[in-house]
Amino acid sequence: NAGVMQNPRHLVRRRGQEARLRCSPMKGHSHVYWYRQLPEEGLKFMVYLQKENIIDESGMPKERFSAEFPKEGPSILRIQQVVRGDSAAYFCASSQTIGIYGYTFGSGTRLTVV
Amino acid sequence: AQTVTQSQPEMSVQEAETVTLSCTYDTSENNYYLFWYKQPPSRQMILVIRQEAYKQQNATENRFSVNFQKAAKSFSLKISDSQLGDTAMYFCAFMGLNYGGSQGNLIFGKGTKLSVKP
Repeated sequence: NAGVMQNPRHLVRRRGQEARLRCSPMKGHSHVYWYRQLPEEGLKFMVYLQKENIIDESGMPKERFSAEFPKEGPSILRIQQVVRGDSAAYFCASSQTIGIYGYTFGSGTRLTVV
Repeated sequence: AQTVTQSQPEMSVQEAETVTLSCTYDTSENNYYLFWYKQPPSRQMILVIRQEAYKQQNATENRFSVNFQKAAKSFSLKISDSQLGDTAMYFCAFMGLNYGGSQGNLIFGKGTKLSVKP
């Protein structure tokens, strides 16, 4: 089992471009969470998805950010018209059910906006 | 709203000795889980230990144990026989189960950077 796979590991975008971050959960996991980590900070919840459904997006900015978890394929976090403040590490985590046993995290995607 | 506070930004310990990392949290919920995660320089978030709030017994995983004081809302992590590989950021995290659609979301503290010295 390859664990939670995130790609790319590093992503550089110019201001105004789009960033697409991909997350393949562990096999058998249907719950996916996205978190953002700013430098010297803990992770902050962004969005919680199950297959084809957004369950909770209360931590995601209302504009420019969107997430999906289609029936087939990875979960995608999409950031349109990136700005310097979007530079951060973005982590995906997955679990079989609500993660009361703890999630399995991916290694993150470090987004740098130049 | 729930908050998690880690008051020690950095700590160091000699190899083979014991260190305790502190964590306090604030919540009005009665049913929740607490976690410690380790983030080494590789950036991977690794679950170290978890505690169920309704269990009085402190969780233990090999060299890692917690001191869970529910009334005081305190959840410290003790690492015994510290090893060089324990060098990492350590994050305390809270998960509530009673708050509507926020079930399952982790709320993290800002972390403690632990250095184990040879």
